[in-house]
Amino acid sequence: AQSVTQLDSQVPVFEEAPVELRCNYSSSVSVYLFWYVQYPNQGLQLLLKYLSGSTLVESINGFEAEFNKSQTSFHLRKPSVHISDTAEYFCAVSDTPNTGNQFYFGTGTSLTVIP
Amino acid sequence: NAGVTQTPKFQVLKTGQSMTLQCAQDMNHEYMSWYRQDPGMGLRLIHYSVGAGITDQGEVPNGYNVSRSTTEDFPLRLLSAAPSQTSVYFCASSYSRQGIYGYTFGSGTRLTVV
Repeated sequence: AQSVTQLDSQVPVFEEAPVELRCNYSSSVSVYLFWYVQYPNQGLQLLLKYLSGSTLVESINGFEAEFNKSQTSFHLRKPSVHISDTAEYFCAVSDTPNTGNQFYFGTGTSLTVIP
Repeated sequence: NAGVTQTPKFQVLKTGQSMTLQCAQDMNHEYMSWYRQDPGMGLRLIHYSVGAGITDQGEVPNGYNVSRSTTEDFPLRLLSAAPSQTSVYFCASSYSRQGIYGYTFGSGTRLTVV
């Protein structure tokens, strides 16, 4: 079984500063990788995903994540954060059909953008 | 609007009471699931279903029952509420368990058991 580790439970950052939210997973076999965002008092929304192809994937609101197979990581980055980015961010990993079809969430990272 | 609808949004129960959390989706998703979210523990899978008539246990199934009589509905039943079941509950659906098109989440049910 996979495990998904988000080492930072809380990340405070000043507005317009860069941010990186870290995500590591346990198994190097074939996986699909996701980042979800949860705004206060709402359900989770898909932010971006890696299925195959280019290891760098982007979201429509300026976030990007890079799949690093050797490091088993999928860190989320944004070069300049806004107040509206304050939210909880969840990394998620899915096994592929060849490896069991399981889906796992990390424990989340709370991003707080400080004016 | 297409999506996942959860009711109620808030509920207070007394210990020992039973209740059903409702979840409905109109996207013809085969896969539906229930999660609970607790501070510092992320989302934990309670039960899931890969299609009408098929359900299975997740990580924390004790104290909960589910059924899936239609593709659209996936209710979660608390048999005898306990304070440990105080949590925020989310229903999510997808075309498949892998979620390669993304999971669609409901807005949640905040449950307090006193």
